[in-house]
Amino acid sequence: DTGVSQNPRHKITKRGQNVTFRCDPISEHNRLYWYRQTLGQGPEFLTYFQNEAQLEKSRLLSDRFSAERPKGSFSTLEIQRTEQGDSAMYLCASSLAGTVRSYEQYFGPGTRLTVT
Amino acid sequence: ILNVEQSPQSLHVQEGDSTNFTCSFPSSNFYALHWYRWETAKSPEALFVMTLNGDEKKKGRISATLNTKEGYSYLYIKGSQPEDSATYLCAFAGGSYIPTFGRGTSLIVHP
Repeated sequence: DTGVSQNPRHKITKRGQNVTFRCDPISEHNRLYWYRQTLGQGPEFLTYFQNEAQLEKSRLLSDRFSAERPKGSFSTLEIQRTEQGDSAMYLCASSLAGTVRSYEQYFGPGTRLTVT
Repeated sequence: ILNVEQSPQSLHVQEGDSTNFTCSFPSSNFYALHWYRWETAKSPEALFVMTLNGDEKKKGRISATLNTKEGYSYLYIKGSQPEDSATYLCAFAGGSYIPTFGRGTSLIVHP
């Protein structure tokens, strides 16, 4: 399967614990996005990378959230000291910048986080 | 904060019915409008990316139109089938590659 993959698919954690999610984009894609989706809402932009550079972060992304894409391939999203309000679906998407298909984003299946 | 609105929020139709949804978005700084289909437990799947005023796109029984001057896009499904049941999301990109998503329209097609 050459699509976007995310691990784990589900994560249940206790409030105050740290969690880390991984996203593997489509291999030739140089842009990678993280979104958060809560019940009844559309996906909300968190941050994006072009290659290994983090180009933009949403104001939604508190200091407890950090994302990396160390070699311009896979990315990790870490949430420190989780709160119940962090419970959501975390989606990753990738795209190929610099082409006519730059606008097309390909999504992974998401990681559903439940904070108890 | 950009306002991207989708209506209706949910829709129940019978198999064979044709249906349409609306996405409204800011009419300034338009870059692109995306439509996605998101089935439960699967990844959101891109249906269309529309960039020009007056664009019409078609994929099988699904089509979409775009009016950037008035800030709306319609998605049409002809002869709905149960497998069309999903949430349909639109996303507006204005001046950047970072889209703002609507809340989606949940479609349920009853056999």
